[in-house]
Parts: sequence; C-alpha cells; structure tokens
Amino acid sequence: GAGVSQSPRYKVAKRGQDVALRCDPISGHVSLFWYQQALGQGPEFLTYFQNEAQLDKSGLPSDRFFAERPEGSVSTLKIQRTQQEDSAVYLCASSLDSHTASYEQYFGPGTRLTVT
Amino acid sequence: DAKTTQPPSMDCAEGRAANLPCNHSTISGNEYVYWYRQIHSQGPQYIIHGLKNNETNEMASLIITEDRKSSTLILPHATLRDTAVYYCIVRATGQGGSEKLVFGKGTKLTVNP
Repeated sequence: GAGVSQSPRYKVAKRGQDVALRCDPISGHVSLFWYQQALGQGPEFLTYFQNEAQLDKSGLPSDRFFAERPEGSVSTLKIQRTQQEDSAVYLCASSLDSHTASYEQYFGPGTRLTVT
Repeated sequence: DAKTTQPPSMDCAEGRAANLPCNHSTISGNEYVYWYRQIHSQGPQYIIHGLKNNETNEMASLIITEDRKSSTLILPHATLRDTAVYYCIVRATGQGGSEKLVFGKGTKLTVNP
C-alpha cells in the first residue's frame, strides 16, 4: 500500500517568507509526528498529533512554527518568517496508535527546506 | 529520556555479519529498544524493536542483554544496500503520552565490496 508522502520534496524560500509543508500519512494511522533533521544530525522531534488533537508540541523551536491536522488525516507544518537556521529536512511519520503496544513509525521521504 | 551511545562509524565486508552495538544503561523497565536506519536522502526506516527477549525478523536480529543496559543489532549477511546510518533508540513518552522517537547521531555503517 501507499506509504507516507510529503510535498514538496524540495523548497527554497527567501528569508522572511512563509512556507507550508504537507504530509499525507498512511490511511488509518492515528498518530502523526513531525521531525526536523539538520545536516549531519539525527532527526529531532517537533510535534505529535493523535487524530486531530495536537498532544505534544514541546519540540517546536519557536512560535514561528505551527502545525495542524484539522481532519485527523493530512497535516501541514507552517513556518512563518523563515530564517536561515530553519534550513533542514522536515520529516513526517505516522503510526497506527501510539498508546497501545509498541507500534513502529513509518517515515516519509522528507521535505528539504533551504532558506536563502 | 534514556540516552543511547553508539560508535560513530563501522565497516563491514559484503556477505559478512554486521554487529552494531548500543549502550542504554539508563533504560527504564517499560521502555523498548528500537532500531531504525536511514539510507542517504531517505526517511528513516524501521528495522526491529524489543523489550527484553531477543527478536528476529526478515531484516535483522536484536540481542538485548539480560540487564537491558545494552543491545546489538545483527545484519546476518550484509549487502551494499545496507550502507546507512543506524539509530538505536529507546522509546520515550512525552506530553500526552506521545511515543516520540529520540534519535542520537547513530552509527554510519559502510558495507564494502
């Protein structure tokens, strides 16, 4: 079946522009995660949704970062007034349910954001 | 969150077993050990996970010590396509019970022909 998809795959933004990154999780997956991966580093957690509820946003680096999942399926990560330090790969992952047993997370290919 | 320690890099000959170690001495009793790998320019890929017992699937085997303070991921017959960064992760619980993954820097495994 289809995996997690993300769009766009590549985004170049000028400093100060707003960007929106989209994630389509695997159908039926309750949990959705966003991660940020800087060059040469491991992914870092940004935020988590269970269905449409954003239950953990402790990893969002500033109030310029905003995520939503209004219908419990597709999610959008928005970055306002982008800065050069926002340049990274943004990864989305989904899993069946984060509360029961131990479900693995399935990752999308990521969106590479470059802020110039 | 329990932290993990992995060697930054390892080499392995094609066709031989690759044994990737991980230390997680502060792991809690209800925390699982997960292994993911990331091939260049792709998202991380789940490999295997375990709690106490050794586990095996079509990709790899996971050996967890009795005290659970360390584990080893074994790729029994490494191929060139196994060249990747391998992450050992102890699954953490954040706010609202989210099972976020806390990645370290991982081990860069290079499989040589």
